[in-house]
Amino acid sequence: GQQVMQIPQYQHVQEGEDFTTYCNSSTTLSNIQWYKQRPGGHPVFLIQLVKSGEVKKQKRLTFQFGEAKKNSSLHITATQTTDVGTYFCAGLSGYSTLTFGKGTMLLVSP
Amino acid sequence: SQTIHQWPATLVQPVGSPLSLECTVEGTSNPNLYWYRQAAGRGLQLLFYSVGIGQISSEVPQNLSASRPQDRQFILSSKKLLLSDSGFYLCAWSVVPQGRTEAFFGQGTRLTVV
Repeated sequence: GQQVMQIPQYQHVQEGEDFTTYCNSSTTLSNIQWYKQRPGGHPVFLIQLVKSGEVKKQKRLTFQFGEAKKNSSLHITATQTTDVGTYFCAGLSGYSTLTFGKGTMLLVSP
Repeated sequence: SQTIHQWPATLVQPVGSPLSLECTVEGTSNPNLYWYRQAAGRGLQLLFYSVGIGQISSEVPQNLSASRPQDRQFILSSKKLLLSDSGFYLCAWSVVPQGRTEAFFGQGTRLTVV
């Protein structure tokens, strides 16, 4: 079945440093989604990418979808303590279920 | 607007006891419904999903079962809990036919089996 791999599993940065998490799918995706889960909370939808090579920005967050629609990345510029949490990618293949990556836990030290 | 209700928020159950977690969705019809489990500090494991009433697909064979007695109700059950069933259980919904493919999660239930 479809697999979505996400790296790294964990990253600890100093406030102000950049952060990137990468997502790779074993199959071509219809779209890829990114979610953020704050400690103790539930995952919250951030964004969806649909087009090959698509790039979207939300303030300091930049999301990219690969040309082959099998990989994606989330880049945070100048991290802040409010960025702490686990970031999940989730791939949709056709109209089947979403497959989530295992997430990248981000810790930001002030 | 759409909302998802999941309860209880926390639960402590002894080994061997039954389990019933309920999830309901309001403000939408014919949603896809999901049950996920998250072990401490780990990723989201899809347990069950449903595309319609009475239609349940199991992703991982285990001690749990799911039912969808109504369009917007999804229930996760167990006849006898195991210690390994402890975790954070999340219900989610999406509505693919309306072009909205993102998942919306409930607040989750933290289950501790003792």
